[in-house]
Amino acid sequence: EAGVAQSPRYKIIEKRQSVAFWCNPISGHATLYWYQQILGQGPKLLIQFQNNGVVDDSQLPKDRFSAERLKGVDSTLKIQPAKLEDSAVYLCASSLARGSEAFFGQGTRLTVV
Amino acid sequence: DQQVKQNSPSLSVQEGRISILNCDYTNSMFDYFLWYKKYPAEGPTFLISISSIKDKNEDGRFTVFLNKSAKHLSLHIVPSQPGDSAVYFCAARRGAQKLVFGQGTRLTINP
Repeated sequence: EAGVAQSPRYKIIEKRQSVAFWCNPISGHATLYWYQQILGQGPKLLIQFQNNGVVDDSQLPKDRFSAERLKGVDSTLKIQPAKLEDSAVYLCASSLARGSEAFFGQGTRLTVV
Repeated sequence: DQQVKQNSPSLSVQEGRISILNCDYTNSMFDYFLWYKKYPAEGPTFLISISSIKDKNEDGRFTVFLNKSAKHLSLHIVPSQPGDSAVYFCAARRGAQKLVFGQGTRLTINP
């Protein structure tokens, strides 16, 4: 069974630039999550999708972050414009349903300079 | 508001001995607790979980203990092996709500 795929693995951008991350969840998984993990901290949920609908985006900085999951499969997370404090690993995860075990991708390490 | 706390950033244990990782939480509504293991440059992988109706769950070398009155859980690894060296995250949730993670503890197993 293929795991959660994320790209790119690494990205370096200057502040005020924009960046986008892509996630392909495990086939058949209805729930998709985007987490932000800052160095030395645990992952923090940014947004959770159930199929193509948003379940929880309470911790998403909506003035600069956006995410979509068109057709309920792949998802993209965008940051525009980026700030230095956005430097982190962005993890995508998926699960069969809400409350079931979540499987994580390898993450995208973003460095904002 | 850090609802899940892992107060030890790092832990070093000799191979073959027991590793004990601790986690405290503040939200009494949490009813499901998980431990994830993370190697460098990889995403977290699920290790073991426990429901709030239990106080112990065992899976091979890994045992999780839950003390609801103290709002404390711990992960025991025995015997510890070099491949157990990783960052361990404690996480908790209420029902089907989002997982809340602790800061992680870096475990190093010394030969």
